[in-house]
Amino acid sequence: AQTVTQSQPEMSVQEAETVTLSCTYDTSESNYYLFWYKQPPSRQMILVIRQEAYKQQNATENRFSVNFQKAAKSFSLKISDSQLGDTAMYFCAFMRRGTSYGKLTFGQGTILTVHP
Amino acid sequence: EPEVTQTPSHQVTQMGQEVILRCVPISNHLYFYWYRQILGQKVEFLVSFYNNEISEKSEIFDDQFSVERPDGSNFTLKIRSTKLEDSAMYFCASRPLAGVDEQFFGPGTRLTVL
Repeated sequence: AQTVTQSQPEMSVQEAETVTLSCTYDTSESNYYLFWYKQPPSRQMILVIRQEAYKQQNATENRFSVNFQKAAKSFSLKISDSQLGDTAMYFCAFMRRGTSYGKLTFGQGTILTVHP
Repeated sequence: EPEVTQTPSHQVTQMGQEVILRCVPISNHLYFYWYRQILGQKVEFLVSFYNNEISEKSEIFDDQFSVERPDGSNFTLKIRSTKLEDSAMYFCASRPLAGVDEQFFGPGTRLTVL
């Protein structure tokens, strides 16, 4: 079974600054995906960024980037130039690749508050 | 842009009553999921559904729960006899193909059991 751990229950950052959210996971699988989902106060889950485990290059999406360390089983999210709209709960999630069913295993979440 | 929809947005029920939560996945998607999030806690997988049958379910998904896709568009989660601890946000998600990893989530249904 896979586990995902987010050790930072809450983080805060000033607008325009950079913040990094941590995530570690445990799995015996070698082929998998990792995701960061954002859940704003509206509660809708929104995909922020994905990483395929077989790719060594870290994924980036505009202001969002990840630091994927496969050997250490670490998957952190860096948000650059933080904006007020980034205020949300952020979930790290794991999904095995190569299976049709695609169950997501989530971490506990990190509440991020961006201050003006 | 197509999106997953869920109804109702908020359901209040008495303990012991049956509830049906409804989801309309994106039309060409083939894989369907229900997740649960108890307030302040992490999102937990309940069940996945493919080709008109359950493909995987969690320990939470006991005999009180059932899913079906009655008409090719709706995807429902039924809780037969609700308990106080079933109070949570329930999210439906769908995914188009086996090779596509992204799941698209609905806005959720908040279930309150009194």
